Amino acid sequence: DAGVIQSPRHEVTEMGQEVTLRCKPISGHNSLFWYRQTMMRGLELLIYFNNNVPIDDSGMPEDRFSAKMPNASFSTLKIQPSEPRDSAVYFCASRAALVDTEAFFGQGTRLTVV
Amino acid sequence: QQQVKQSPQSLIVQKGGISIINCAYENTAFDYFPWYQQFPGKGPALLIAIRPDVSEKKEGRFTISFNKSAKQFSLHIMDSQPGDSATYFCAASWGGTGNKLTFGGGTRVLVKP
Repeated sequence: DAGVIQSPRHEVTEMGQEVTLRCKPISGHNSLFWYRQTMMRGLELLIYFNNNVPIDDSGMPEDRFSAKMPNASFSTLKIQPSEPRDSAVYFCASRAALVDTEAFFGQGTRLTVV
Repeated sequence: QQQVKQSPQSLIVQKGGISIINCAYENTAFDYFPWYQQFPGKGPALLIAIRPDVSEKKEGRFTISFNKSAKQFSLHIMDSQPGDSATYFCAASWGGTGNKLTFGGGTRVLVKP
């Protein structure tokens, strides 16, 4: 397996534009997580899915953020409209159903909103 | 959301020295405590993990010490090497949250040659 695949790796966009980040989890993993990493706030959990169903989206900063998981092999995180304070590295991670299993992270998407 | 508190924020150690990172948690239901290592430009990767039924786990130069009564756990990096320079995150999870991993704030470790 190629691991968790995220695209794009880098994204530069203008304030007000829509941004869509994509993630392909490891096949067979039941849980998918979206994290945001900044120097100030570290790794923040935005939302996570179990079996394609959103379980906890309490970390989503505001209504401008939305996430979907239409099937077991694909998820998106959308920001509309984007703002400069959304600039960060966004990570997707996936994990098997068992509690004490490793969460595998993708390479991340570095988002810059100018 | 900060249910896992990590210290220090940064650490400088000489090559061959010991790096110690501490974490404290609040939720007694946590039953899985991993440590992740992150290099610049990469995603975090699992380094070592422990369950609360053991007090210590060692893998090579990396050791987790776990104190259930104090709700604390720590990572020791023995004989630190420049290649260990990275950011380290502790984390915790339990089955009741559907596998949600809660991370500490991270510790940036710099090992000087």
